[in-house]
Amino acid sequence: GDSVTQMEGPVTLSEEAFLTINCTYTATGYPSLFWYVQYPGEGLQLLLKATKADDKGSNKGFEATYRKETTSFHLEKGSVQVSDSAVYFCAVDRGSTLGRLYFGRGTQLTVWP
Amino acid sequence: EPEVTQTPSHQVTQMGQEVILRCVPISNHLYFYWYRQILGQKVEFLVSFYNNEISEKSEIFDDQFSVERPDGSNFTLKIRSTKLEDSAMYFCASTIRPAGGNNEQFFGPGTRLTVL
Repeated sequence: GDSVTQMEGPVTLSEEAFLTINCTYTATGYPSLFWYVQYPGEGLQLLLKATKADDKGSNKGFEATYRKETTSFHLEKGSVQVSDSAVYFCAVDRGSTLGRLYFGRGTQLTVWP
Repeated sequence: EPEVTQTPSHQVTQMGQEVILRCVPISNHLYFYWYRQILGQKVEFLVSFYNNEISEKSEIFDDQFSVERPDGSNFTLKIRSTKLEDSAMYFCASTIRPAGGNNEQFFGPGTRLTVL
């Protein structure tokens, strides 16, 4: 079955709007959770991560909290900017010591001025 | 800032031809990965490589695929006889260690492979 289920896009917002991109995962053990971002023409960049339950990852105004009880890691930002336009990927390592990542499909975010 | 690089950025090939996708991981990293993303689908793991051997591979990584670290800097993915369904974006990634607190994987910009 799917390891990561991510909200489908595209998502279009006006500048300063609130952003939520939902992500739920399937994993046993103690997985680490990640959000990666891909700007146009670039590779995947780590945006934030959380390695244990109730951890909150944050970076560049984005936040996500590791919720083990709901197996979720939703990405939020209080006020998006045009420069946040990108594709966002949720990923989980399922506790593997070899580092294999399982990704969601990605969510295209477009922010209009 | 060190980064993972990939060449070419776009490769077009005929079905049945061999292709080699090249990656230069970050120099002090020890674990290397290939992922791919077929258009509109998830990013999928293909293979991980450590200490000059494959450490894990997915069901996608069949006998048509191989990886190699021919020297101290390059990490390549070879597809022996390409199929139409191999058309995808291929990402290379590397990390110092795959588990624990500093387990970030650094990704390259990808190679878009188009099989005609």
